[in-house]
Amino acid sequence: GQQLNQSPQSMFIQEGEDVSMNCTSSSIFNTWLWYKQDPGEGPVLLIALYKAGELTSNGRLTAQFGITRKDSFLNISASIPSDVGIYFCAGQRETSGSRLTFGEGTQLTVNP
Amino acid sequence: DAGITQSPRHKVTETGTPVTLRCHQTENHRYMYWYRQDPGHGLRLIHYSYGVKDTDKGEVSDGYSVSRSKTEDFLLTLESATSSQTSVYFCAVSGRLGTDTQYFGPGTRLTVL
Repeated sequence: GQQLNQSPQSMFIQEGEDVSMNCTSSSIFNTWLWYKQDPGEGPVLLIALYKAGELTSNGRLTAQFGITRKDSFLNISASIPSDVGIYFCAGQRETSGSRLTFGEGTQLTVNP
Repeated sequence: DAGITQSPRHKVTETGTPVTLRCHQTENHRYMYWYRQDPGHGLRLIHYSYGVKDTDKGEVSDGYSVSRSKTEDFLLTLESATSSQTSVYFCAVSGRLGTDTQYFGPGTRLTVL
């Protein structure tokens, strides 16, 4: 079953606001990935993190690999309507080979 | 874009019928995966492949089988579809770029009546 706790499950914000979501686990991960899924499409990779403590930005998105290797967060600054979608975290454990474990997703709604 | 296509994109079938979903990739990724996505469960791994004719089970493999006879194709078969297998199925690939980052296809929406 799921081993990643992603929160919040949903968010309703106004355009221009900043957003923060996170994933935590009791297990250690070697890689953290953040994906976005638009309705009717497959998840698209936003940011990949490979080292504990790593902080990576992609435009208005910033993600961090927790120092304990058991958590990660994603921030979106100055949200816009096209940020609407489901955001998933995913982690790769040392013992799982190439397999990923996914969080259950955060549904983001941005009101204009 | 990892050059992934899935077919069909939509399918409606009846309980007890066999169904095969196809994932095709054009960029020589070593690893291929099949997931299902259901409300409240996120993405769950069904089966994966780490090379031609090399496959293994994921967390929800019961009722599914897979085959990979060549690098570019990974087939998911439901031998006898059940209503609990109504879901959206995603194929993913990884490995060509030397990392474990997975790239997803557009999905197949399967409805079993």
